[in-house]
Amino acid sequence: DAKTTQPNSMESNEEEPVHLPCNHSTISGTDYIHWYRQLPSQGPEYVIHGLTSNVNNRMASLAIAEDRKSSTLILHRATLRDAAVYYCILRDNYGGSQGNLIFGKGTKLSVKP
Amino acid sequence: NAGVMQNPRHLVRRRGQEARLRCSPMKGHSHVYWYRQLPEEGLKFMVYLQKENIIDESGMPKERFSAEFPKEGPSILRIQQVVRGDSAAYFCASSPTGSLLSNQPQHFGDGTRLSIL
Repeated sequence: DAKTTQPNSMESNEEEPVHLPCNHSTISGTDYIHWYRQLPSQGPEYVIHGLTSNVNNRMASLAIAEDRKSSTLILHRATLRDAAVYYCILRDNYGGSQGNLIFGKGTKLSVKP
Repeated sequence: NAGVMQNPRHLVRRRGQEARLRCSPMKGHSHVYWYRQLPEEGLKFMVYLQKENIIDESGMPKERFSAEFPKEGPSILRIQQVVRGDSAAYFCASSPTGSLLSNQPQHFGDGTRLSIL
């Protein structure tokens, strides 16, 4: 699986949008971009995933660059409950690993009231 | 619909003892993944199982660790003769089918925190 690069930490104010960047310059054509987050003392939680087009769901939006070498997870209005470590993960659906997720160190998001 | 259930949430063992960690996947899920998380680190894959089969154990230490997912009952991660370095949070995830080919997300439990005295 290709590698991703994320900032170690970010801060946000409550009720403001948050843009969490992820670089994946070695992404292959069959890699999906997945985002998970991990709240303190909990297991990871799936957030969103996409291949080429931007994606929206009830939790967040995923903006994927045209060349797919980077993506941004967008939380439209941060709440205190969004404080977590956010992981950007590439998954190759053809060959490669058997299905396990490869977690980096992620971005620790702090939300200030 | 209950999520992935792991027990115990906390487990304390002395060096040399055995640790057994249990994972009940979400209803209808037949694929289970185990991960280990050391303090301040990301999760590291250990093993991927389907009912009665180990599909990928490339992340599992060669000695002392074993995993099973029987036809009936939870998946078990067993660590024999535990050492201090085994102290970590162990997470289980499940998916309804092989999450690679279907690109489905994995659903995680809240983990078992293992402490070795």
